[in-house]
Amino acid sequence: GQQLNQSPQSMFIQEGEDVSMNCTSSSIFNTWLWYKQDPGEGPVLLIALYKAGELTSNGRLTAQFGITRKDSFLNISASIPSDVGIYFCAGQLGASGYGGSQGNLIFGKGTKLSVKP
Amino acid sequence: DGGITQSPKYLFRKEGQNVTLSCEQNLNHDAMYWYRQDPGQGLRLIYYSQIVNDFQKGDIAEGYSVSREKKESFPLTVTSAQKNPTAFYLCASSNPRGARHGYTFGSGTRLTVV
Repeated sequence: GQQLNQSPQSMFIQEGEDVSMNCTSSSIFNTWLWYKQDPGEGPVLLIALYKAGELTSNGRLTAQFGITRKDSFLNISASIPSDVGIYFCAGQLGASGYGGSQGNLIFGKGTKLSVKP
Repeated sequence: DGGITQSPKYLFRKEGQNVTLSCEQNLNHDAMYWYRQDPGQGLRLIYYSQIVNDFQKGDIAEGYSVSREKKESFPLTVTSAQKNPTAFYLCASSNPRGARHGYTFGSGTRLTVV
């Protein structure tokens, strides 16, 4: 099936540092989403993006919908220990509706973030 | 509060046994999904259902079965045909009729073969 290339796979950073991760695809997406998964839990939605070029913030998190519609970026500023977890990007290719999978989300493989106090 | 509930949190299965994982939502979502998560593999889609009494295979459906008799419920059975069932299983739901506003995930079931 379709794939999203998410990088980096893992990051080890010092508390207080800024973090950047991204997702790219060969296909054009009409929605980009960023999730965080705490250990042993389900992913939780952080930010949703709906328009090319859109820049959205949620506290210390900022995400952007790439101009080409084939990529998205997530930045975390001034990291803290509770930022530890796996961050997933997800994209939606086409319109949703019954009888097809176009509306389904496609997920990246995740970026595992470790923060050293 | 509305949400999506998976049970049990931990499940142990003997070789050759079928086990069923429960997923219930009270969000009035039309669509529901099952994912398998292995370390470094991300989320892999097993089955999804966009409407009651209908479901579709995902990327790794072999060895699994589902039913969607009620809008609120989408149980997953891991059959003895699944050769490597040890994994973390996630259920999700979405509305309306798709994913534009994202999926809501349950807290997962960790299945271990003993």
